[in-house]
Amino acid sequence: KQEVTQIPAALSVPEGENLVLNCSFTDSAIYNLQWFRQDPGKGLTSLLLIQSSQREQTSGRLNASLDKSSGRSTLYIAASQPGDSATYLCAVFSSGSARQLTFGSGTQLTVLP
Amino acid sequence: GAVVSQHPSRVICKSGTSVKIECRSLDFQATTMFWYRQFPKQSLMLMATSNEGSKATYEQGVEKDKFLINHASLTLSTLTVTSAHPEDSSFYICSARSEGTWETQYFGPGTRLLVL
Repeated sequence: KQEVTQIPAALSVPEGENLVLNCSFTDSAIYNLQWFRQDPGKGLTSLLLIQSSQREQTSGRLNASLDKSSGRSTLYIAASQPGDSATYLCAVFSSGSARQLTFGSGTQLTVLP
Repeated sequence: GAVVSQHPSRVICKSGTSVKIECRSLDFQATTMFWYRQFPKQSLMLMATSNEGSKATYEQGVEKDKFLINHASLTLSTLTVTSAHPEDSSFYICSARSEGTWETQYFGPGTRLLVL
């Protein structure tokens, strides 16, 4: 059964810092990996999707990498801003008969002004 | 991108009552819909998967008689929490995918349920 772990659980940084969020998964048989943002009491906003054949995806100040063989992904946020404060969730779409998303527990990010 | 809506966005009910949550795909046909539950400061846990016109498949530990799921059309799935209790208070999120893009799920905005 796929398990997804995110480290750290919470992170607080001053505005302007570059930061890295980590995600690891136990079963490398995946179709894709997604990073989501969730604001308090809200639904999910998809940030980046990396297919299993890709190594990274970029969108603005965000860069996500994927190392499928080692079961790891990172989300890099450049020049962080207070508006980036949210919970970031990593989710893996497993292949095989399951074909479902498995979510990590998230990293709660606070960017201090 | 595809849009998924949920209604209501927030509901407060008394213990013992039943609550129905709707999930709609607004601009595509959702052959499969998923229901997740999220407790405070925890991640999303899949409750069940439903395919249009057939019975839902529930994850281990989820009571199918308590959480009734109906997926009668390609644009609507409903989750009914029967005889709700305070421990059912949670954030319920649905997602949907179409047959043609089975790797992509579109998420609804969630429904906050508070059982008093």
